[in-house]
Amino acid sequence: ETGVTQTPRHLVMGMTNKKSLKCEQHLGHNAMYWYKQSAKKPLELMFVYSLEERVENNSVPSRFSPECPNSSHLFLHLHTLQPEDSALYLCASSPHRDHSYEQYFGPGTRLTVT
Amino acid sequence: QQQVKQSPQSLIVQKGGIPIINCAYENTAFDYFPWYQQFPGKGPALLIAIRPDVSEKKEGRFTISFNKSAKQFSLHIMDSQPGDSATYFCAASNTGAGSYQLTFGKGTKLSVIP
Repeated sequence: ETGVTQTPRHLVMGMTNKKSLKCEQHLGHNAMYWYKQSAKKPLELMFVYSLEERVENNSVPSRFSPECPNSSHLFLHLHTLQPEDSALYLCASSPHRDHSYEQYFGPGTRLTVT
Repeated sequence: QQQVKQSPQSLIVQKGGIPIINCAYENTAFDYFPWYQQFPGKGPALLIAIRPDVSEKKEGRFTISFNKSAKQFSLHIMDSQPGDSATYFCAASNTGAGSYQLTFGKGTKLSVIP
């Protein structure tokens, strides 16, 4: 395993629900990332946190709300999602933001929005 | 200019064959080119990476060839095995700018037939 865990692994939610995805890294890294992976599209970077401070928000809709309470934990809060938000959501970490190329990924959460 | 174009989208080879996956980029500021391997149900894992000051890097059965003038790089898998069946992603990063972004290709699904 990579040292990055994600829960839940699968999630089905309706468009009016509120849910949260959790990521935890056991590598002592200082930077954490959320990605969206859709079929036949490149991985899309959603958010980057460095030492618990958000440093990047790639124009992600406000229905996705990240939270980083400490350098080991990262959450993605979801509300009023759309069916097109169904995808694999991947969390990653790196030693620090200047070593973004050394990213270690978790197994992902498969999200289905009905 | 941030795109990384990857081909082919899918590839089927016999065991022992040498699959080749190609990537091309436009941004000449990119200076780090990793390849990630993703098995079903897992997140991407860093496989091998190269910087543009070398034309080739080999790690075990995996080799990256890099052509700086053509802005292209490729992954070769020698003596491919069924266990190599996975999706492979190329990526690129501009590490000098303190960037924390990896720009990914769309991925190549490799199937190695016994």
